[in-house]
Amino acid sequence: AQTVTQSQPEMSVQEAETVTLSCTYDTSESDYYLFWYKQPPSRQMILVIRQEAYKQQNATENRFSVNFQKAAKSFSLKISDSQLGDAAMYFCAQDSGYALNFGKGTSLLVTP
Amino acid sequence: NAGVTQTPKFQVLKTGQSMTLQCAQDMNHEYMSWYRQDPGMGLRLIHYSVGAGITDQGEVPNGYNVSRSTTEDFPLRLLSAAPSQTSVYFCASSYAGVGTGGGTPLHFGNGTRLTVT
Repeated sequence: AQTVTQSQPEMSVQEAETVTLSCTYDTSESDYYLFWYKQPPSRQMILVIRQEAYKQQNATENRFSVNFQKAAKSFSLKISDSQLGDAAMYFCAQDSGYALNFGKGTSLLVTP
Repeated sequence: NAGVTQTPKFQVLKTGQSMTLQCAQDMNHEYMSWYRQDPGMGLRLIHYSVGAGITDQGEVPNGYNVSRSTTEDFPLRLLSAAPSQTSVYFCASSYAGVGTGGGTPLHFGNGTRLTVT
């Protein structure tokens, strides 16, 4: 069975600073997709970034980037120049072919 | 486009009552799925469907039924609600399988908060 592990239940960052959220996963597949989703207090699930496993280059979306280490099965999310609006729950997820396996989430607090 | 619409937004049930959580999408997506979100547990897959007439169980299917008579609709039924089913429920859709479809992202509804007393 595939598992996704987020070892940091809570993280805190000051505005304008950089923070990294950790995620590890376990799979026997050679090609797969990894995602980070953001869930603000509104409860909406928002796709932040997506990584395809066979692509060596780390995905980047504006202030959000990933450090994808395939051999180590690690997929961390870096948020640069943190903003108050980045405060949310962040979920790491891996595809299971037809749906997603989610980690338990990391709650990010952004302080002024 | 409305995207994925879930109704109701909030619901309170008594133990033993039944109800249906509605989910509709207007994007002609083949794949639809239901997740439940509990504090400290992330989102867990309940049931999913790869097309009209085809459904299958996810990680936590007990106590829930689904059917998919049309491409647009994927209702989730609680036959006899239990306090353990208190949760936030999300419906999601995609035009193909997340993995088999080239990493297509899921489109989520805004969730239903269900409380069973």
